[in-house]
Amino acid sequence: KAGVTQTPRYLIKTRGQQVTLSCSPISGHRSVSWYQQTPGQGLQFLFEYFSETQRNKGNFPGRFSGRQFSNSRSEMNVSTLELGDSALYLCASSWGWKETNRYGYTFGSGTRLTVV
Amino acid sequence: KNEVEQSPQNLTAQEGEFITINCSYSVGISALHWLQQHPGGGIVSLFMLSSGKKKHGRLIATINIQEKHSSLHITASHPRDSAVYICAAIKAAGNKLTFGGGTRVLVKP
Repeated sequence: KAGVTQTPRYLIKTRGQQVTLSCSPISGHRSVSWYQQTPGQGLQFLFEYFSETQRNKGNFPGRFSGRQFSNSRSEMNVSTLELGDSALYLCASSWGWKETNRYGYTFGSGTRLTVV
Repeated sequence: KNEVEQSPQNLTAQEGEFITINCSYSVGISALHWLQQHPGGGIVSLFMLSSGKKKHGRLIATINIQEKHSSLHITASHPRDSAVYICAAIKAAGNKLTFGGGTRVLVKP
């Protein structure tokens, strides 16, 4: 079966611009979570969506936002980009609340964002 | 102090050697992932475990819930095992993933 698909794979943006990243989960998975990975901070949790509702949120400024559609696909948006937003953005999907403890998460390949 | 700590940060081994990576956590968890990340970024889940031990090929993962500690072992290491290994705890409250800092493993031929 298809894995978690993230698009685009690479992106170069200019400071001040905004960007939208997409994540399509494994078919049947209803939970999608987003993570930022930088050399200095490692992997950090951004937010998680389940059935179109944000369930958890990490400690990121309001410039980082997301949403989930009825088909479980999710997008994250970063507005007013800063140089420090350059990172690998990963999404992961899972079946849902209780099932996560049994089956865990499946990760996508990530979107590498460079802000210049 | 981070909620999930990994050691060592870096590890260099000769091909064939036995490798151990350790992960300690300070929060209540429902399960723990061991993840592998190769250059290029994509993350692969090697194991998810909530108790005991799991084995897949040359990889073995163990977890001791009472001691809040997990280990990943690589037997008969090979250069293709060179990667960053990350432990990620699924917190009991809220199912949120919290990551260790990663262990960069280099296996030399």
